[in-house]
Amino acid sequence: DIQMTQSPSSVSASIGDRVTITCRASQSISSYVSWYQQKPGKAPKLLIYAASSLQSGVSSRFSGSGSGTDFTLTISGLQPEDFGNYYCQQSYSRVTFGQGTRLEIK
Amino acid sequence: QITLKESGLTLVKPTQTLTLTCTFSGFSLSTSGVGVGWIRQPPGKALEWLALIYWDDDERYSPSLNSRLTVTKDTSKNQVVLTMTTMDPVDTATYYCARRGIQGDYFDYWGQGTLVTVSS
Repeated sequence: DIQMTQSPSSVSASIGDRVTITCRASQSISSYVSWYQQKPGKAPKLLIYAASSLQSGVSSRFSGSGSGTDFTLTISGLQPEDFGNYYCQQSYSRVTFGQGTRLEIK
Repeated sequence: QITLKESGLTLVKPTQTLTLTCTFSGFSLSTSGVGVGWIRQPPGKALEWLALIYWDDDERYSPSLNSRLTVTKDTSKNQVVLTMTTMDPVDTATYYCARRGIQGDYFDYWGQGTLVTVSS
């Protein structure tokens, strides 16, 4: 099984900050990575697919990069509505999610 | 407009079999490239992928749960059914169904989720 390790597990940032969340795969997975945002009590929302493609309707504050084993989700100009949990997911071999990153607004 | 909704018993006893139905609209599982997946999330924990069924009847399962899972589709009813055998309290979770993305095995539309509790 391919493991996805996210870091940090939690982060606190101020409005306007740039936030970076990383995900490392246990083996090379090309660009088969997606990123989701989840608010409490709600279903996850797709943000990024294929490592760097922005899902339709998602704010351009969100961007993704990486290939191989190391991937990054960047939120530029943090807004109050960006709080929540973020998950990476690989689909190179079946599907695996990362353990999540909790983003709190200072 | 694409929607998905999970339904089924929300309280099951240990050793029983869980059956959940995902009823969707706005797309067809007979269209090339389309798929529906199941993902669960124990309270306060991370997402865990369970299964994925494709338009061409291919099925994929989580290796750790493969022996307990079956997913089927009824294209005429726009439904996908997940069956999980030998339920245990550790299987208590919110269960989501979601549509596979057009360009790969990511999930672009999700149901609201249904909380399944396993308790005697």
